[in-house]
Amino acid sequence: EIVLTQSPATLSLSPGERATLSCRASQSVSSYLAWYQQKPGQAPRLLIYDASNRATGIPARFSGSGSGTDFTLTISSLEPEDFAVYYCQQRSNWRYTFGQGTKLEIK
Amino acid sequence: QVQLQESGPGLVKPSGTLSLTCAVSGGSISSSNWWSWVRQPPGKGLEWIGEIYHSGSTNYNPSLKSRVTISVDKSKNQFSLKLSSVTAADTAVYYCARVGAEGNAFDIWGQGTMVTVSS
Repeated sequence: EIVLTQSPATLSLSPGERATLSCRASQSVSSYLAWYQQKPGQAPRLLIYDASNRATGIPARFSGSGSGTDFTLTISSLEPEDFAVYYCQQRSNWRYTFGQGTKLEIK
Repeated sequence: QVQLQESGPGLVKPSGTLSLTCAVSGGSISSSNWWSWVRQPPGKGLEWIGEIYHSGSTNYNPSLKSRVTISVDKSKNQFSLKLSSVTAADTAVYYCARVGAEGNAFDIWGQGTMVTVSS
């Protein structure tokens, strides 16, 4: 099983700042890495798929990069609605796994 | 656009079977997409349960495989989850989700339904 490790567990920033979230895989997942945003009481929302492709309707301030085992989600300038929990997810060998999440909180 | 809606009992007794259905609207379950179940225990992260294609082909999380059955009903445009021998550890919000066209991420999610395992 491929394990995804996200860091940091919690990130405290202010609106307008740049956020950088990391996801590391225990073995290569090529570019098959996605990012989700989840707010309390809501279902996850797909932000990025295949490491760097923004999903439909996702603002340009969200970007993804990386390949192999190291991936990054960047939010260029935080808006108040961006404070949430973020998960990475991979697919390999006909199964999916998620990271444990990074909580992005207001400083 | 495609929407998903979960339904089923919110309370299941220990050792019983959890049964949920996901209704697909605004599109066909026979499209070129896989359809999945994902769960989230209270205050915890996401766990993939399994997926199904309209042909009936399935893939399951190895950690749950012995207890999970996912089926599809094309006539009703829906798919279902059965999880047997449940314990308190199966208490979670259960989501149904569509795997996107690229095949590697969940692009549409249902709102989720809370299932509690308790006597």
